[in-house]
Amino acid sequence: DSGVTQTPKHLITATGQRVTLRCSPRSGDLSVYWYQQSLDQGLQFLIQYYNGEERAKGNILERFSAQQFPDLHSELNLSSLELGDSALYFCASQAVNTEAFFGQGTRLTVV
Amino acid sequence: GQNIDQPTEMTATEGAIVQINCTYQTSGFNGLFWYQQHAGEAPTFLSYNVLDGLEEKGRFSSFLSRSKGYSYLLLKELQMKDSASYLCAVKYAGNMLTFGGGTRLMVKP
Repeated sequence: DSGVTQTPKHLITATGQRVTLRCSPRSGDLSVYWYQQSLDQGLQFLIQYYNGEERAKGNILERFSAQQFPDLHSELNLSSLELGDSALYFCASQAVNTEAFFGQGTRLTVV
Repeated sequence: GQNIDQPTEMTATEGAIVQINCTYQTSGFNGLFWYQQHAGEAPTFLSYNVLDGLEEKGRFSSFLSRSKGYSYLLLKELQMKDSASYLCAVKYAGNMLTFGGGTRLMVKP
């Protein structure tokens, strides 16, 4: 158990819909990363938050947004979903100068 | 961006040694991680290098050359369970962690 919790584990939804993925980082970790992994692809960096503020942005679509709350949990919002958004979405948390720990991921299927 | 390059796929034989290379842009470098990921599962941490040289951890070792922007992961005495993707990740200034595309290793009997 990495200590990073992601919910839900699985999500099936229709095209055009909006979903929210949730991540609770390890206790005390200030950094939260979101990654997208499509089938047989590498991890694509989406966005990073540090102590509530956006720190870095990757190739995140405008239909996607995220935030980190005062209790350090984070949410990734995906809207106007398309079939191509089907993927595993991982959250990772990291303390300063340590490795990142990954949650088990949310498998999103858009039908 | 910070391109991180590693081979897409490698195949090796059970009991052998395999070396997985990773090259990265050196500007802003602040540490390099190797992760293992089995299909459909979360990546798990293997090793961390921030200084030049070799870090050994059982059957796995990782090497770093900061001046060359180069690292490798060495797996010895390969086992079937080592079949997985191996991800090279670089931490850049500002604490952003960027992953390479991963190397899919297939271990054959």
